[in-house]
Amino acid sequence: AQSVTQLDSQVPVFEEAPVELRCNYSSSVSVYLFWYVQYPNQGLQLLLKYLSGSTLVKGINGFEAEFNKSQTSFHLRKPSVHISDTAEYFCAVRGANNLFFGTGTRLTVIP
Amino acid sequence: GAVVSQHPSWVICKSGTSVKIECRSLDFQATTMFWYRQFPKQSLMLMATSNEGSKATYEQGVEKDKFLINHASLTLSTLTVTSAHPEDSSFYICSARKVTGGSYEQYFGPGTRLTVT
Repeated sequence: AQSVTQLDSQVPVFEEAPVELRCNYSSSVSVYLFWYVQYPNQGLQLLLKYLSGSTLVKGINGFEAEFNKSQTSFHLRKPSVHISDTAEYFCAVRGANNLFFGTGTRLTVIP
Repeated sequence: GAVVSQHPSWVICKSGTSVKIECRSLDFQATTMFWYRQFPKQSLMLMATSNEGSKATYEQGVEKDKFLINHASLTLSTLTVTSAHPEDSSFYICSARKVTGGSYEQYFGPGTRLTVT
């Protein structure tokens, strides 16, 4: 079975500071991992994905994530956040037929 | 690209009426689409998987007679909330699966905000 745990429901961070949003997964099949961002009253936008290959994945808006098989983690990082990064972030793992989402992390960037 | 649209983006209806939400894949064909429901400050919960030309597969606890899904073409799936009640108020998001070679991606629509008064 597949599942995703996002350990932090809310993460406040000052503008231009680094941030890490944590995600741990459980999967009984091949691991395909995703991070999505959701702005208020909008759908989900794909930030980045890990399917295979390099464990360090770079995505849009300066975000990156590292797949760590031994720790079953896929943490999302950004070295310097902007006000516009304030949003909800969802980690997801692909199952046999669909995606399983974590409960989300609300990132709030403080000016 | 891969664009998924939803219509309407928001709708207000009276209790007891039915509401139809459309999900379209604009630049690709999707034999499989998904319907999610999202409550405020919560994650997406999969309601059902919609397959073109066949019956939808509903997740446990989702009333199939209340949430009617029709996937009549390769670019359109509809979700009809029948006899809507205030507890059906939520944000509904669709997703379409795009198959490329031996792999696939899910692309999400912008969501539909349903408010039942």
